[in-house]
Amino acid sequence: SYELTQPPSVSVAPGKTASITCGGNNVGSKSVHWYRQKPGQAPVLVMYYDSDRPSGIPERFSGSNSGNTATLTISRVEAGDEGDYFCQVWDSSSEHQVFGGGTKLTVL
Amino acid sequence: EVQLVESGGGLVQPGGSLRLSCAASGFTVSLNYMSWVRQAPGKGLEWVSIIYRDGKTSSADSVKGRFTISRDSSENTIYLQMNSLRIEDTALYYCAKFYYDSNGPVGYFDYWGQGALVTVSS
Repeated sequence: SYELTQPPSVSVAPGKTASITCGGNNVGSKSVHWYRQKPGQAPVLVMYYDSDRPSGIPERFSGSNSGNTATLTISRVEAGDEGDYFCQVWDSSSEHQVFGGGTKLTVL
Repeated sequence: EVQLVESGGGLVQPGGSLRLSCAASGFTVSLNYMSWVRQAPGKGLEWVSIIYRDGKTSSADSVKGRFTISRDSSENTIYLQMNSLRIEDTALYYCAKFYYDSNGPVGYFDYWGQGALVTVSS
């Protein structure tokens, strides 16, 4: 079955740039979507189709996807960006949706 | 406004059954893809099942043959019938609307409920 690998944690100082990666075999050929989940809340979509931002998500959020790695980049990080970030793709081989293990973003 | 409200969670013994409901408003479930996603305590998200617009369903290998997703168009509600429950099925179960376009299931989960907690324990 298809697997997506994320770093368990990423720490960044306020105002700096955070990069959260999502690795998978030839993930660049798939469409990757990203969610943020804050404690006690349901996940919220923050990026779709690799690099499209939903309404309400700041321009500081951007995405890319190539080769074996998709990346969610958050510029000028703020305390409110903290949370767990998950990537998601559809695996056509199994016809299953797949989530990455999640990355906890900490703003120092 | 799109809303998803789950119900039916609770405590059940291993081997038991439970049925979750997800009442939708603001859109028509039968015209959309709908899914269940679960999250074990302190863990990540795990996709469980999906029901497509044509009624076809698909489930994760971990629940195949034990869980069944269905919908009731008259109630605008989807269900997750969970049988032969195991301790490892303990999780918060989210109902989610799935956005799709001409690319089919390549889409994403655009709306989520607040979840229903299922605890499997003796």
